[in-house]
Amino acid sequence: DAGVIQSPRHEVTEMGQEVTLRCKPISGHDYLFWYRQTMMRGLELLIYFNNNVPIDDSGMPEDRFSAKMPNASFSTLKIQPSEPRDSAVYFCASSLWAGSTNEQFFGPGTRLTVL
Amino acid sequence: RKEVEQDPGPFNVPEGATVAFNCTYSNSASQSFFWYRQDCRKEPKLLMSVYSSGNEDGRFTAQLNRASQYISLLIRDSKLSDSATYLCVVNIPTGNQFYFGTGTSLTVIP
Repeated sequence: DAGVIQSPRHEVTEMGQEVTLRCKPISGHDYLFWYRQTMMRGLELLIYFNNNVPIDDSGMPEDRFSAKMPNASFSTLKIQPSEPRDSAVYFCASSLWAGSTNEQFFGPGTRLTVL
Repeated sequence: RKEVEQDPGPFNVPEGATVAFNCTYSNSASQSFFWYRQDCRKEPKLLMSVYSSGNEDGRFTAQLNRASQYISLLIRDSKLSDSATYLCVVNIPTGNQFYFGTGTSLTVIP
């Protein structure tokens, strides 16, 4: 398996523009997570899905952020409009529910810079 | 109070040294505990799970103290390749989601 795939790997955009981040989880995994990582706040959970259904989006910063999972092999995180404070590394991760051994596998991340 | 707290370091140790990291968690109902490793500009990867009885994997030993709500990671005979950030991870009891600590930075010096 290729692991979790994210695109783009790097994104530089101007304030006010729409940004769409993409994720393909590991085949067969039924959980998908979106995280944001910054130096100040570390790794923060934004939202997670179970079987394509959003379960908890309490970590989504505000209405400018939205996430979808139209099928088991694809998810998007959209920021509209983007702001400089959104600059961070965004990770997607997937896992199986396996009780105490539910390891999360992370994608390589998207490094977002909003000017 | 943060759900998971770690000493950010940095820890700078010579090769061959033994180094220990601690992490405290706030939810006493948490059941799953992990250490993840994150190399510079890379994604986090699972290093090891932490079991109630403690567990060892080569030079790495993880311990759990439920009464005091902390977990630890001990690295013996440090190698240059151990240089990374180590993230403490604790599940929340109600679902399949985790809290990640902000990480402890380790640099092993030749």
